[in-house]
Amino acid sequence: QVQLQESGPGLVKPSETLSLTCTVSGYSISSGYYWGWIRQPPGKGLEWIGSIYHSGSTYYNPSLKSRVTISVDTSKNQFSLKLSSVTAADTAVYYCARVEVGLTLGGEDYWGQGTLVTVSS
Amino acid sequence: QSVLTQPPSASGTPGQRVTISCSGSSSNIGSNYVYWYQQLPGTAPKLLIYRNNQRPSGVPDRFSGSKSGTSASLAISGLRSEDEADYYCAAWDDSLRRVFGGGTKLTVL
Repeated sequence: QVQLQESGPGLVKPSETLSLTCTVSGYSISSGYYWGWIRQPPGKGLEWIGSIYHSGSTYYNPSLKSRVTISVDTSKNQFSLKLSSVTAADTAVYYCARVEVGLTLGGEDYWGQGTLVTVSS
Repeated sequence: QSVLTQPPSASGTPGQRVTISCSGSSSNIGSNYVYWYQQLPGTAPKLLIYRNNQRPSGVPDRFSGSKSGTSASLAISGLRSEDEADYYCAAWDDSLRRVFGGGTKLTVL
């Protein structure tokens, strides 16, 4: 079955760059679907960060676009998130997810378990 | 402030039917599919309803979704204690931005 697993540092200093990787198993990223990142600050709701296709085509949340880069490595069946110039407001549980694709983008049908990233000095 | 508007809380007793609303605009719900997610405490969200009213395999038929104009609803019939969770609606907007509701905390009394 399809599984996603986030990995990366759990603590990042203010003004530095947050870097996370999502490793996909049970499905080849190259076979299709979009792949996305969503975050959830403690006690708050979900916020979409962005999505990427295996070709490298991306869509980003306009409110984060200037700081976000999402990339894909099909040889490792992974995709990654970089968020620069972080502040305490970027403290959140970060989820990676598979995004269904039909005539248009669809729902996130498989999710990673999430990883808590805290921004603090 | 979330783009889609949900009530912060809802409640019901076991066996009851509960509905959760989600309000958007013509550029998101009005012209695109609505999705619903269930998030149990301490876990990742789970896709509950896709394309307005479709249930993924394994989701009980007690859960149903509907959409009318720029609003959508999630209905849960035969409420059970294990349904106590946060529920989120979501949609894509016409500029291919993913938008979520603020979430509704469902309490089973």
